[in-house]
Amino acid sequence: EAGVAQSPRYKIIEKRQSVAFWCNPISGHATLYWYQQILGQGPKLLIQFQNNGVVDDSQLPKDRFSAERLKGVDSTLKIQPAKLEDSAVYLCASSFISSPLHFGNGTRLTVT
Amino acid sequence: DQQVKQNSPSLSVQEGRISILNCDYTNSMFDYFLWYKKYPAEGPTFLISISSIKDKNEDGRFTVFLNKSAKHLSLHIVPSQPGDSAVYFCAAKESYGGSQGNLIFGKGTKLSVKP
Repeated sequence: EAGVAQSPRYKIIEKRQSVAFWCNPISGHATLYWYQQILGQGPKLLIQFQNNGVVDDSQLPKDRFSAERLKGVDSTLKIQPAKLEDSAVYLCASSFISSPLHFGNGTRLTVT
Repeated sequence: DQQVKQNSPSLSVQEGRISILNCDYTNSMFDYFLWYKKYPAEGPTFLISISSIKDKNEDGRFTVFLNKSAKHLSLHIVPSQPGDSAVYFCAAKESYGGSQGNLIFGKGTKLSVKP
């Protein structure tokens, strides 16, 4: 089966600029997640979707981060405006019911 | 406050020997635990899991042990192979089954298996 697709793989922006990441989950996976992994840390959940509805966004910095999942398939995560501390790898994952999470290869964001 | 702790940032093991990766947790409500493996420039991949009703789960060369009283789990890899060299993340959640999105990850342990 095709894995979770993410783009771009790398992005470098200046602080206060905006950036968007895209994710295409595994076909048939109703649940989609965005994680942030800062260097030297484990992944941290930002937001979880079930189909196109938000299940958990308690750790999403809503003043600057937003995410949507149109039609319950693809998802985009946006940061506007970016801060230096947003430099991280942004991982998208999907799962089917109670199966383990399948992660994409991530987008490495560098904010200068 | 870290709820899942992996106190060893790195571990080096000779090929063919046993690798033991440790993980401690503080939240007594955690009842499902997972190990993920991550190669550079790739996303984490699921390796093995254990629920709190068990104290051991085995899958080929990989065995996870859970000691609930000590709030400690460990991953044993026997025998270790050079291809096992990766970062291993311990993760935990409060409810078995259903969505696993509310996983809490440790910081990871980088395993190096020397030929």
